[in-house]
Amino acid sequence: DTGVSQNPRHKITKRGQNVTFRCDPISEHNRLYWYRQTLGQGPEFLTYFQNEAQLEKSRLLSDRFSAERPKGSFSTLEIQRTEQGDSAMYLCASSSPGQGMYEQYFGPGTRLTVT
Amino acid sequence: GESVGLHLPTLSVQEGDNSIINCAYSNSASDYFIWYKQESGKGPQFIIDIRSNMDKRQGQRVTVLLNKTVKHLSLQIAATQPGDSAVYFCAENGEYGGSQGNLIFGKGTKLSVKP
Repeated sequence: DTGVSQNPRHKITKRGQNVTFRCDPISEHNRLYWYRQTLGQGPEFLTYFQNEAQLEKSRLLSDRFSAERPKGSFSTLEIQRTEQGDSAMYLCASSSPGQGMYEQYFGPGTRLTVT
Repeated sequence: GESVGLHLPTLSVQEGDNSIINCAYSNSASDYFIWYKQESGKGPQFIIDIRSNMDKRQGQRVTVLLNKTVKHLSLQIAATQPGDSAVYFCAENGEYGGSQGNLIFGKGTKLSVKP
């Protein structure tokens, strides 16, 4: 399968703990996006990378959230001092310069539960 | 955007009938619109897109209509099949009208296909 992959698929953590998620985009896709989706809602944009550069961050992305894409391939999203309000599905997407930045292909997501 | 909690608009259709899913978008500066399909436990899947200089685009069994005057988007699915059962989201490009690639998603419509 050559689609976007995300690990882990599920994460349960206690409030106050740090968590890190990984996203592997489709090979050769230079753009990578992180979104958050809560139950019954559409995905909300968090941040966006073009190659290794983080070009945009949403106002939703508090200081406890940090994302990296050090080599322009996979990306990690870390949440420090998790809160119950962080419980959500975290989705990663990628796009190809040849197809346009808005034709984004999503991974299956990492479901985070903060207890 | 406004939260609707866990309640999604729903559409129930008979297998073989045509489905029409509607969406109102918010930003007059948006120039790119996409429909995504999300099945339970999966990430959103790209269906079809349309640029603001068009008012209609057709794909395989799907048609997207754009009415910029009233900021309305619709997705028509012909000969709906059980495999079409999912939540459908419309999305527009971000508040900067196409500068960076973030998508703004609507609230979603749950389509149920009765056999």
